[in-house]
Amino acid sequence: SYVLTQPPSVSVAPGQTARITCGGNNIGSKSVHWYQQKPGQAPVLVVYDDNDRPSGIPERFSGSNSGNTATLTISRVAAGDEADYYCQLWDRSADLFGGGTKLTVL
Amino acid sequence: QVQLVESGGGLVKPGGSLRLSCAASGFIFSDYYMSWIRQAPGKGLEWVSYIRSSGSIVYYADSVKGRFTISRDNTKNSLYLQMNSLRAEDTAVYYCARARAPFGTSYGYWGQGTLVTVSS
Repeated sequence: SYVLTQPPSVSVAPGQTARITCGGNNIGSKSVHWYQQKPGQAPVLVVYDDNDRPSGIPERFSGSNSGNTATLTISRVAAGDEADYYCQLWDRSADLFGGGTKLTVL
Repeated sequence: QVQLVESGGGLVKPGGSLRLSCAASGFIFSDYYMSWIRQAPGKGLEWVSYIRSSGSIVYYADSVKGRFTISRDNTKNSLYLQMNSLRAEDTAVYYCARARAPFGTSYGYWGQGTLVTVSS
């Protein structure tokens, strides 16, 4: 079965750029979505279809997807971006989520 | 505005049953596919089940296949999850989620979740 692999944690200083990866076999051929989840809250969609943003999501959030890796990029990271981030895609009649990445703002 | 409100969670013994509901408002419910997605305490997100907008097509994760049944009532703007033969590993917050758009595979709206605890 298809597996999505995320690093457990990523740390970045305020104002810097965070990159969170999601690995999967030929993931570049699939549409990848990204969610942000803060403690005690429901997930929020921040990027869909590889690199589109829902309304209300800052331009600082962007995505890319090629080969075996999809990437969520957060520019000018702020303390409020500290959260868990999950990638997701649809594959052969099932939704798949990555294991999640905890973003820590130093 | 779009609202999804889950209910029906609680404490149940192993082998027991529970029915979750999700009341939807603020959009044309029958236009969107819906899913149930769960999160065990301290763990990541796990997709549970999906239902097409008409209800004609459903899918399940292998971990719940044969035990859970998803359904919807488009006249009542409601989504359901019948959970039977519950196990300790089914303990989680269960979210109902709506597709961002009628076509596509992302979830643009989520409820706040309902906690299911399976314990003797």
